[in-house]
This record gives sequence, structure tokens and C-alpha cells, in this order.
Amino acid sequence: EPEVTQTPSHQVTQMGQEVILRCVPISNHLYFYWYRQILGQKVEFLVSFYNNEISEKSEIFDDQFSVERPDGSNFTLKIRSTKLEDSAMYFCASSGQDYGYTFGSGTRLTVV
Amino acid sequence: KQEVTQIPAALSVPEGENLVLNCSFTDSAIYNLQWFRQDPGKGLTSLLLIQSSQREQTSGRLNASLDKSSGRSTLYIAASQPGDSATYLCAVRPWASGTYKYIFGTGTRLKVLA
Repeated sequence: EPEVTQTPSHQVTQMGQEVILRCVPISNHLYFYWYRQILGQKVEFLVSFYNNEISEKSEIFDDQFSVERPDGSNFTLKIRSTKLEDSAMYFCASSGQDYGYTFGSGTRLTVV
Repeated sequence: KQEVTQIPAALSVPEGENLVLNCSFTDSAIYNLQWFRQDPGKGLTSLLLIQSSQREQTSGRLNASLDKSSGRSTLYIAASQPGDSATYLCAVRPWASGTYKYIFGTGTRLKVLA
């Protein structure tokens, strides 16, 4: 069964550093997403991406965040200057025409 | 603003029991609803997707129903097994032009005892 692949599985970074989280969506999917889950809290929507541009973003997705699909297969989330409160599990997802999601296994980001 | 609530928050049952997990949402204008399973420290696995025009979906021992007008969905698990132990998340996609996001509930943490 096709999978969404995320790397790395765990990243530790110092406050103020830039991080890039990587995702390889399912190849024939058209819609791509990033979500995050702070420990013990709900899964929260960050951003959706379609046709090489952001189609929707949440209030969480401020100027510190950016997304890119640099080469037609990878989908990245960049956090420019990490804060302690950015520590969370970050999930990438993709969907096809039925809009049902397939999620990756996540990247646990720890900001110290 | 759409809110999704799941009850109970946690459930512990002996193996073999049939059980029902509940999900409610405040705005009935939804495009679809999806149930996910999340194992500790892991990603989300899609279990069932119900479009707004459907009343239920089945996959193996799982059956999900949708009553859009009352803002409710239930996930029925038949003959539960220890391997079913996980957190079950309900998520709704609002019916709004240009939105493809899901709004998640807080989940039901299920433990099936051998």
C-alpha cells in the first residue's frame, strides 16, 4: 500500500535554529498538508498546499513557517527560528480526489 | 466554528467485547468524516472515510455511522482484541469552498485487556 514518508523521525534543535522537516507524499496525490500535535493535545491543522501554492493556512502558520515542494516529489516544512513551544509531533499528509487522507508517521521535534 | 468532541476520553474493556466510540460535531455542514487510529508515538492510520451523503461504512470488524443532521458519528468495534488498543480519532472536513483541512477531536484512548 502506498505510504507517506517523513524524515527525520526525531529531531532535536536549539531554540532559534532553523529546521526543515521533509515528506514524500503519495505519488499521484494532488493535495498536501502539514499538521502538528503537541503532547497530550489535539491534532491541529497548519497548512494545505495544492497546485504549487498554499491553499489554506491556520493562525498557527505564521511568518516563521514556510512550505515548499522543491522537486515534484518532496514536500517540506521549514520553521525559521524555533521556539520552545514549537516542540510537537509534525505530521505530513496527502490526499487524492476523494480527499481521504494518508498520513505519514510523523517527525517528533524537540526544541531545547 | 466547528468543534469536534469525543466521548469517552478513555475506555478499558475485556477482550471480546463489542464497543462503541462516539464523536459529535457542532456544525452539520461537513464534506466528510474520517476515523483514524493512532498508536503511541506513531502516525495516524485511516480506518474509515464517510462522505456526507453516506450513512455508514464498514471495514472488517469496524463499522462507522454518520448522522449529519444530529452532528454525530459512531465507530463500532466488534469482538475487540488486545491489538485494537490505541487512540481513536474522529476528524471532520467542513463543507466550505476551498477548504480541505480536517478538524480533529481529542480522541478516545482504548485499552483492550487480554
